[in-house]
Amino acid sequence: GNSVTQMEGPVTLSEEAFLTINCTYTATGYPSLFWYVQYPGEGLQLLLKATKADDKGSNKGFEATYRKETTSFHLEKGSVQVSDSAVYFCALLYSGAGSYQLTFGKGTKLSVIP
Amino acid sequence: DGGITQSPKYLFRKEGQNVTLSCEQNLNHDAMYWYRQDPGQGLRLIYYSQIVNDFQKGDIAEGYSVSREKKESFPLTVTSAQKNPTAFYLCASAPGTSVYNEQFFGPGTRLTVL
Repeated sequence: GNSVTQMEGPVTLSEEAFLTINCTYTATGYPSLFWYVQYPGEGLQLLLKATKADDKGSNKGFEATYRKETTSFHLEKGSVQVSDSAVYFCALLYSGAGSYQLTFGKGTKLSVIP
Repeated sequence: DGGITQSPKYLFRKEGQNVTLSCEQNLNHDAMYWYRQDPGQGLRLIYYSQIVNDFQKGDIAEGYSVSREKKESFPLTVTSAQKNPTAFYLCASAPGTSVYNEQFFGPGTRLTVL
């Protein structure tokens, strides 16, 4: 079946540090890949997405590249800020038997300290 | 403003009572979804609907029921048959059924069963 594996947190970084959150996936066919962010007590917001191999999604300084050869979609940011503290979810969207379902990783909690 | 609203934000119920969570969207989206989020876990799909008057079970549908009588509304009922209903519930919608369509999330309802 389809699955998403994220690095376990929590991750604690100092402000302006480099961030990488690893995400690998297992899927049949050609899924789309997403990173969502969840701030405390809120719903999820789409951070970025990529719909085919070698696509790079980017938003708010975050980037992730859809690597089919390594089945990965790692999230990176060159310089994190305190306001980036949140839980980050990697997800894949696939189609099968006429349904379109998101499969989520377990989430990685990021804390950025001044 | 276009978006997804969930009400109430916090809900308390006694054990054995049914409770209905509201989800409304004015984005004119065809597809709607209900997820459950537990601490340290990713989101798990409860039910989804791709069109009015039609819905399908997700991965953890037991103890839940839904209806889709209107395009903009997708209420979720947590029944007394749900063994562990205390969780954070998230509703989402998408423009259509395509792997290119990201899902948009509401702010969530935190249900606590006493």
